[in-house]
Amino acid sequence: RKEVEQDPGPFNVPEGATVAFNCTYSNSASQSFFWYRQDCRKEPKLLMSVYSSGNEDGRFTAQLNRASQYISLLIRDSKLSDSATYLCAVNGADSSYKLIFGSGTRLLVRP
Amino acid sequence: SAVISQKPSRDICQRGTSLTIQCQVDSQVTMMFWYRQQPGQSLTLIATANQGSEATYESGFVIDKFPISRPNLTFSTLTVSNMSPEDSSIYLCSVDGNYGYTFGSGTRLTVV
Repeated sequence: RKEVEQDPGPFNVPEGATVAFNCTYSNSASQSFFWYRQDCRKEPKLLMSVYSSGNEDGRFTAQLNRASQYISLLIRDSKLSDSATYLCAVNGADSSYKLIFGSGTRLLVRP
Repeated sequence: SAVISQKPSRDICQRGTSLTIQCQVDSQVTMMFWYRQQPGQSLTLIATANQGSEATYESGFVIDKFPISRPNLTFSTLTVSNMSPEDSSIYLCSVDGNYGYTFGSGTRLTVV
């Protein structure tokens, strides 16, 4: 089993739609969780950290479910500019300092 | 968050040669991380570089192939040695910027 798994998508949604991505992780001791956005031919950029109580940043909401070992990202009112690949990242099983990335979920927002 | 300058941004290299990638950070950081992203794939951690000690390599990566230097707290290099076409990939350095990890802009390597 991979340490971090994501549905690769693509998710093809119309503008204004709400879309949710899930990411499962295998190490129950993981403490750090992140969502990154990666545009084509660019480096990943941090979108948001994921806190135990859940957190929101504008149209984006991140949640953590420790019992089921997954994190989620909800995007409301999708914009064309949200089209990108979304990567989840979790700190590694043998070290709290290194991040292990999921394979990414591609989102396409159409007009 | 930390700002990372990575170079070169891209290169086309002959098989059998080596390429050294540099990352300069605008602040002192304890650890730097080197990742590889193969076409259409996610990021795979190559190694963790600490200043003053040898880098720690992940399974499947060895020092002879990917030697790393970390001479101070703001700089690191990754060398891809004796390259083959399978080494064609994007290589990225990363640091822990207190609010999540920050990445350099990446080096797109093509080996012909």
